Amino acid sequence: QQQVKQSPQSLIVQKGGIPIINCAYENTAFDYFPWYQQFPGKGPALLIAIRPDVSEKKEGRFTISFNKSAKQFSLHIMDSQPGDSATYFCAATLRGGGADGLTFGKGTHLIIQP
Amino acid sequence: DAGVIQSPRHEVTEMGQEVTLRCKPISGHNSLFWYRQTMMRGLELLIYFNNNVPIDDSGMPEDRFSAKMPNASFSTLKIQPSEPRDSAVYFCASSDTDKGNQPQHFGDGTRLSIL
Repeated sequence: QQQVKQSPQSLIVQKGGIPIINCAYENTAFDYFPWYQQFPGKGPALLIAIRPDVSEKKEGRFTISFNKSAKQFSLHIMDSQPGDSATYFCAATLRGGGADGLTFGKGTHLIIQP
Repeated sequence: DAGVIQSPRHEVTEMGQEVTLRCKPISGHNSLFWYRQTMMRGLELLIYFNNNVPIDDSGMPEDRFSAKMPNASFSTLKIQPSEPRDSAVYFCASSDTDKGNQPQHFGDGTRLSIL
């Protein structure tokens, strides 16, 4: 049973556009929701994370929106650049960021066209 | 600043052979995680350790898989005997849970191909 559903599977956006990636979770006990960015041949790297007591978090050009009642959260990339082309994973975990294993979405392959 | 170090980066071996993947976590981190990434199943947690003790191994697919953490700076994931369906990228990650809400830091993985 997939506990974190991510969409879309792939996304192509023009430079400067705002790609939006959506995730939905099932387990209401999850209390930490990170987004990871992965480039080919590399491991996932933490981009930004949010807790369910906050509805939005912004770090640079990256924003997470969180809807606790709908059990959904999304990543927005403002002023997207070709260098943002990568695979993005949403994740969820219990007991904070590092204490438990992460449950990942299936990933979104993002291409930013120049 | 050294990150999580995994070896080997690539491994190609024949079915039935024993495979050992190695991980050196970030110094000072007390939690270590093994994940597997495939096209079909995405990123899956296999097992994780806290202070060198296995906490949850429910993600280990079969008895052919085993993991150890003999000390705070080293862990192994072993597959014996290996099968073609074990082909995947295996990631190790570490975190410092003594410092509150700290993220997991991933190595660059071992790409395993079982022929």
